[in-house]
Amino acid sequence: GEDVEQSLFLSVREGDSSVINCTYTDSSSTYLYWYKQEPGAGLQLLTYIFSNMDMKQDQRLTVLLNKKDKHLSLRIADTQTGDSAIYFCAEIPSGGGADGLTFGKGTHLIIQP
Amino acid sequence: NAGVTQTPKFQVLKTGQSMTLQCAQDMNHEYMSWYRQDPGMGLRLIHYSVGAGITDQGEVPNGYNVSRSTTEDFPLRLLSAAPSQTSVYFCASSTGGDGYTFGSGTRLTVV
Repeated sequence: GEDVEQSLFLSVREGDSSVINCTYTDSSSTYLYWYKQEPGAGLQLLTYIFSNMDMKQDQRLTVLLNKKDKHLSLRIADTQTGDSAIYFCAEIPSGGGADGLTFGKGTHLIIQP
Repeated sequence: NAGVTQTPKFQVLKTGQSMTLQCAQDMNHEYMSWYRQDPGMGLRLIHYSVGAGITDQGEVPNGYNVSRSTTEDFPLRLLSAAPSQTSVYFCASSTGGDGYTFGSGTRLTVV
């Protein structure tokens, strides 16, 4: 079945860039997402990329998609303490969105002063 | 718009009790789904619905029932609660590709 893999932890210094990586297995995925979860809160959609795109930029966020390697990354420029959270990569399998999302286990982003 | 509303926010059940987790959305979204989140496991799909009257099982459906009598509501029923169902439950809705909107979650403890 489909699987989405992420590293569990990433530690960066405040002001540096953070790069969170994700690999997925379903080559027919149509959309790929990044969600942010702060402690005790729900999931907030940060950004998404359609499978026919290579890159998407939205303010401090840059998403890169390498379909050949099934690799997705999220770059956060000028990381701030408010960026401390768990970041989930998720894909829509080939069903087109009706049958839910497949999530990675999440990457804990830790900000060092 | 309220988005996706889940109730209750917290619940403690005894083993064997039943209860319903409520989920309502006011965005006229066709697609709705339920997930559970456990430490180190990410979110796993329990059940989903593609429209009123249509539901299907996700990755971890055992012990849960759903129904979708209206577009707005998608309740999740625990028939006989077990400690293994202690988790945080999230409901989400979507029109398709441009992302799912999540509720704020229900934290359930089964003792």
